This record gives sequence, C-alpha cells and structure tokens, in this order.
Amino acid sequence: GAVVSQHPSWVICKSGTSVKIECRSLDFQATTMFWYRQFPKQSLMLMATSNEGSKATYEQGVEKDKFLINHASLTLSTLTVTSAHPEDSSFYICSAREASGGATKTQYFGPGTRLLVL
Amino acid sequence: QKEVEQDPGPLSVPEGAIVSLNCTYSNSAFQYFMWYRQYSRKGPELLMYTYSSGNKEDGRFTAQVDKSSKYISLFIRDSQPSDSATYLCAPDQGGKLIFGQGTELSVKP
Repeated sequence: GAVVSQHPSWVICKSGTSVKIECRSLDFQATTMFWYRQFPKQSLMLMATSNEGSKATYEQGVEKDKFLINHASLTLSTLTVTSAHPEDSSFYICSAREASGGATKTQYFGPGTRLLVL
Repeated sequence: QKEVEQDPGPLSVPEGAIVSLNCTYSNSAFQYFMWYRQYSRKGPELLMYTYSSGNKEDGRFTAQVDKSSKYISLFIRDSQPSDSATYLCAPDQGGKLIFGQGTELSVKP
C-alpha cells in the first residue's frame, strides 16, 4: 500500500519551454502533497505544500509564478516549471500524506522526476 | 545553525557490521522523527518513525530518540550490501519534514 507515482520519470527540454510533472497517490487519498527539489549530493528541499482544492503554500525563496502547483483531486497534484532554464535542472520529488493519516503524519514519496534543461 | 545536522559521510563498513547513523536537531518542539532510505536516483523510502523519546525496533533496524540531548540515531544490525544507500533523518514540524543532509552508507561484501 501507500504507493506514489510520478510522471515522467525524466525529461529533457529546451530552455524557455514549460514542463509539467504529475504526482499521483495510487492506493490512498492524499489531502496534502508536497513538492521537493534535490540537487546532487544534497538533501531534499521543500518547495511547496499543496492541499486539495486550495492554493499551494510556497517556501521562502521559491517563485510561485515559476513553479505552478495544482492539486485538483485527492489523488493528483501537478507541478509545472514555466519557462525552464538550465538552473532549474534538478531532481523533483513529490510526496503525499494520507487523508486519514491521523497522528503519524507519514509522507510517502514518489520515485522522482529528473529534469534536464538544455 | 541548520535545524537538522547529519554527517554526510560517506560511511563504509564491511558486511555484517553494526552501523550507527546519527542526527542532531535544534527545535525542541519536534515530536515525530522519521528515517528514510534513498537509493541513488530514487525517491526516499520510509524506514521507520518514532514518537517522542525512546526506542523502536523493526527487524535489523532500531531507531532511537533522546529529546533531552536532541539526538536521533538509527542502528542497523548485520548490515548487508543491499543496505548501501543514503539515510535521511527527518523530524516532523507541523506536518512538514525537515530533512538532514543524509549519510551515504556503503556496505562492502
């Protein structure tokens, strides 16, 4: 149980294009999903928290107009990197927390999406 | 000072060794403490979590929290080459995980 998928697993795009990454909870409902970015040999940095049906909350320093997040259902959240540039190349990982997670607050992570902007 | 400090390693041990992975943290309000394992180019996988101080055991893994010293540990007994990965401690802050840098572990056959 508690499987989270991401699509695509990797993407290469030209500078200036937009890229959409999907995050799905496959066997549970997630009221809250999180988006992280991870650079090589570094830890996960939280970019934003998204709650189903409401606007995402972005961490300090993350441009909300550049990283558009939509959490339209209890099983799907999307991250769109708009006008991507080479410095946006990174490993993007989503996680989801069960709607009925209770006190454990466990987050289950997707396999990640590797983005390379040329 | 970072909220969560973790020695990045790398840590190399022979197969069968006992491994000790540690984190320190600064926020005394943390109540839940997670340990994740991340293989190269993969998403993190939840290993176990503990609530407040104390120990929790799951197979070869034991998680330990000492809130008085703000110290978190993960012990791996009888380590296997398949345990080679990066281990991330992550206290929970109001539903957000605060990740340490991760310790890269290599278990040599």
